[in-house]
Amino acid sequence: DTAVSQTPKYLVTQMGNDKSIKCEQNLGHDTMYWYKQDSKKFLKIMFSYNNKELIINETVPNRFSPKSPDKAHLNLHINSLELGDSAVYFCASSRRQGNQPQHFGDGTRLSIL
Amino acid sequence: AQTVTQSQPEMSVQEAETVTLSCTYDTSESDYYLFWYKQPPSRQMILVIRQEAYKQQNATENRFSVNFQKAAKSFSLKISDSQLGDAAMYFCAYRSAAGGTSYGKLTFGQGTILTVHP
Repeated sequence: DTAVSQTPKYLVTQMGNDKSIKCEQNLGHDTMYWYKQDSKKFLKIMFSYNNKELIINETVPNRFSPKSPDKAHLNLHINSLELGDSAVYFCASSRRQGNQPQHFGDGTRLSIL
Repeated sequence: AQTVTQSQPEMSVQEAETVTLSCTYDTSESDYYLFWYKQPPSRQMILVIRQEAYKQQNATENRFSVNFQKAAKSFSLKISDSQLGDAAMYFCAYRSAAGGTSYGKLTFGQGTILTVHP
């Protein structure tokens, strides 16, 4: 019954590695997002996809590559991980139009050693 | 670009009392949406309440209500009859109603940590 699910919930890895976070929503939404929450709890959008098409790319380093195989999935791949990438990453989804709220996943805490 | 400011890093309230969390925003747009999200220690982001800018009436959801002052660009959240379960970090967020590449994007404030004392 989970609406927006992210895996894994925790990810601990070493600097320089490549990792992926998966996100799936079963709400029938057409738009999905990735947000980053830093150590001060500040939330900032990274990417947005609408029907598999990239809509927002907020000056994120190109080591971050989102991939949307279909409108129910938006995965995030990160190459050459750096210490500054340590954060909580949230996936969200919504209908694009109107006042529709975004529904968030439970977040993935990424820790770089 | 829009900005959202929450000037109260921390607030506290006694159980059963009322507390108001402040939020101001800066925008040149006339049509937009405003939201309050709650993030308990479990890390989930939970929608508390939303407001359309074109509506003059303030939104209410049970014990939660907002005071939306469009001219002042202010959007405060009032929690009545506070409960221990209300303890969390609260985020104010702005979403443009205009089209284009920013459509749908939420711009968040810095958050306010709410402590509820028994």
